[in-house]
Amino acid sequence: GAGVSQSPSNKVTEKGKDVELRCDPISGHTALYWYRQSLGQGLEFLIYFQGNSAPDKSGLPSDRFSAERTGGSVSTLTIQRTQQEDSAVYLCASSRDRGPYGYTFGSGTRLTVV
Amino acid sequence: KQEVTQIPAALSVPEGENLVLNCSFTDSAIYNLQWFRQDPGKGLTSLLLIQSSQREQTSGRLNASLDKSSGRSTLYIAASQPGDSATYLCAVNSGGYQKVTFGTGTKLQVIP
Repeated sequence: GAGVSQSPSNKVTEKGKDVELRCDPISGHTALYWYRQSLGQGLEFLIYFQGNSAPDKSGLPSDRFSAERTGGSVSTLTIQRTQQEDSAVYLCASSRDRGPYGYTFGSGTRLTVV
Repeated sequence: KQEVTQIPAALSVPEGENLVLNCSFTDSAIYNLQWFRQDPGKGLTSLLLIQSSQREQTSGRLNASLDKSSGRSTLYIAASQPGDSATYLCAVNSGGYQKVTFGTGTKLQVIP
């Protein structure tokens, strides 16, 4: 597609429920990143996918968080048993490849856990 | 460890003024530096990308400069408009995905 698409744009969920966030990167971009932005904070790296290589999950804050990328394109970030501290904006970005290329971000998913 | 600082955290200017936003980084060994704007509740929109071999990039009323030796980048906005009101973030790429460090941003308000 022309840009990075994320859905839903907003999600309100009850504490303890599971949520799935979706990212559709730019066509042809092999690298895909998930970041989290909490209120008033900088961007926190979560996970990185590059082509068919094993993802780098070193930024995931707990084992309640997982992500997958199917067919080297669409990615889903899953948060199980959500907690209030999971409330944040989840941003997805893609780039042409690992290296000195710029990122293109999606509009984000604002997650609120009540 | 790369550290990226943006000062001031917030800035308010009257419409029409030229302004400069600052981004400082501690490790000069970088691949590139990217400026973004973020509107409230939205994602990041890329404004300018400067590679390490470049000194500046221009797009419309925006000009970004890079001085690696001093660890600084500036984003110059000419003839500011209310539509420029947003948070501006710089991101420093020190060598690949995990080494991209974002500043916490400067929140700009342009008053009509």
